[in-house]
Amino acid sequence: SQTIHQWPATLVQPVGSPLSLECTVEGTSNPNLYWYRQAAGRGLQLLFYSVGIGQISSEVPQNLSASRPQDRQFILSSKKLLLSDSGFYLCAWSVRGGAKAEAFFGQGTRLTVV
Amino acid sequence: AQKITQTQPGMFVQEKEAVTLDCTYDTSDPSYGLFWYKQPSSGEMIFLIYQGSYDQQNATEGRYSLNFQKARKSANLVISASQLGDSAMYFCATLPIGGTGRRALTFGSGTRLQVQP
Repeated sequence: SQTIHQWPATLVQPVGSPLSLECTVEGTSNPNLYWYRQAAGRGLQLLFYSVGIGQISSEVPQNLSASRPQDRQFILSSKKLLLSDSGFYLCAWSVRGGAKAEAFFGQGTRLTVV
Repeated sequence: AQKITQTQPGMFVQEKEAVTLDCTYDTSDPSYGLFWYKQPSSGEMIFLIYQGSYDQQNATEGRYSLNFQKARKSANLVISASQLGDSAMYFCATLPIGGTGRRALTFGSGTRLQVQP
């Protein structure tokens, strides 16, 4: 069965420090991968998505970047965190099997920038 | 482009009763999937149910069923026999299937469901 691992679960970082959040998927090949951010009490904002290794689409200009060095690995990074980067970050994957699609999420990372 | 509208920011339901959470969508994709997720206070997004745009029958998964009306572009979630553990945020989402456009899940703003004893 497919599983998705996302870590760490919580993170407190000072302003100006770097960030690296990692997400890995098991049990599927060539998934689409996504990073979403959710502010407290709000909906999900798509940050990046990837349809293949090295292929990254950015949805909103921001202080973050994403990379996909392997088929089932997706990394969210920042060189210098801002207070506004605080939020709940969710990694997700989707695959298509014929006319059906599946999409699942990781457990999320709660990032607090202080 | 896709757009999802959830018009109910909050809903209350009595334990053991059924509740319907509304979702309408707007998409230009000929083939798409519709998803519902539950987000408890822990934050994880739990997949509940999926409906393909070409599926003839409404999807069901245990106490969850999806009332899919393609012509009206609505995909309402019905939870039967509500339980206290159903209290959570619920999100509707759509995902294009195939095509060359943006292949990402688009979410609604969510509905907070509170089940009362």
